[in-house]
Amino acid sequence: GAGVSQTPSNKVTEKGKYVELRCDPISGHTALYWYRQSLGQGPEFLIYFQGTGAADDSGLPNDRFFAVRPEGSVSTLKIQRTERGDSAVYLCASSEIGQSEQFFGPGTRLTVL
Amino acid sequence: ILNVEQSPQSLHVQEGDSTNFTCSFPSSNFYALHWYRWETAKSPEALFVMTLNGDEKKKGRISATLNTKEGYSYLYIKGSQPEDSATYLCAFLSGNTPLVFGKGTRLSVIA
Repeated sequence: GAGVSQTPSNKVTEKGKYVELRCDPISGHTALYWYRQSLGQGPEFLIYFQGTGAADDSGLPNDRFFAVRPEGSVSTLKIQRTERGDSAVYLCASSEIGQSEQFFGPGTRLTVL
Repeated sequence: ILNVEQSPQSLHVQEGDSTNFTCSFPSSNFYALHWYRWETAKSPEALFVMTLNGDEKKKGRISATLNTKEGYSYLYIKGSQPEDSATYLCAFLSGNTPLVFGKGTRLSVIA
């Protein structure tokens, strides 16, 4: 069956631009997570959706970051006024309700020049 | 702030060698400990989800143990192969926080 997919796989943008990163979770998984992995670090939690609503957005670093999941399936992570420090691999994961095992996508590598 | 530490940071072994690495995590409010393998340009792949103190899990040549009272888990690879080369991540889940990852151990297996 299809796993978690993320698009684009790579994104290069200029400082100050707006970017959108997309995640398609495994069909039927109600929980969806976004993480960011900066160079030399482990993945860091950004936001968690249960269905359509953001159950926990405590990991979003500032108000330039926003994520939506309007129909409880595909999610988009939006970054406004990108900064060089936003360069990282953005990972998405999904899981079944009540299960802690998360299934990850391959990530989007964002480079802000 | 929850702290998950992994050691060593990186490791080079010869094909056929056995190896192990460590994940340490807070011993309070434990819910689960996850191990993932992450190969370059691929998705992190779940290896084990461990929940009980004293758990030992095995998948082929890879096994893991868990000690929740002292807050550590070991991952063992027996007879390392070049295809085992990857970053191995552990992640701690408490009752009321999201997954907290360590920085990973980068394993290189030399043929």
